[in-house]
Amino acid sequence: IAGITQAPTSQILAAGRRMTLRCTQDMRHNAMYWYRQDLGLGLRLIHYSNTAGTTGKGEVPDGYSVSRANTDDFPLTLASAVPSQTSVYFCASREQGRVDSPLHFGNGTRLTVT
Amino acid sequence: KNEVEQSPQNLTAQEGEFITINCSYSVGISALHWLQQHPGGGIVSLFMLSSGKKKHGRLIATINIQEKHSSLHITASHPRDSAVYICAVGLSYNTDKLIFGTGTRLQVFP
Repeated sequence: IAGITQAPTSQILAAGRRMTLRCTQDMRHNAMYWYRQDLGLGLRLIHYSNTAGTTGKGEVPDGYSVSRANTDDFPLTLASAVPSQTSVYFCASREQGRVDSPLHFGNGTRLTVT
Repeated sequence: KNEVEQSPQNLTAQEGEFITINCSYSVGISALHWLQQHPGGGIVSLFMLSSGKKKHGRLIATINIQEKHSSLHITASHPRDSAVYICAVGLSYNTDKLIFGTGTRLQVFP
């Protein structure tokens, strides 16, 4: 793999179910991010991590949790999904602290909560 | 008022035309990003800039820090340039946080 891999590509989930969206990068970037993209709104930050072992809350963290056990993996968990979490989720990474380090995005996970 | 505003929201052009997409912001920034999202969803970083101008192929990005404004230009546009172009700013006081514009949908017709 090269870059960022997200899985699954899409998922239909019943409300109340637990779901983990996976994100793996092979660029050894220190910073990783989870965004959601909804029609008419810009990408919104859910959670982020500046380095393995640390995480932080973004703009819309409620209902989501993350972990960063190592540099490569940054899973996003919905503990009990609700229909308002229907969205397209993007994982991204960059080398925080380097002024010329652009964002790299995964291909997204389209989640529908019914 | 959104902290990052893009204009226009939608843009159509004939192949070969010169395209300009604008981004204005109201916060102090460390850097500004231009991203491209093709139908089907993948997002690609085009430019990251904090001053001046950058060029890559037919794409040119400029930024005016004093005016808090950036433009993305596409010369000799082509149907494969059809995509959503997104402006995002990194906050100067919190470099972890990016604020995204809602995007400009560009369609280039042959």
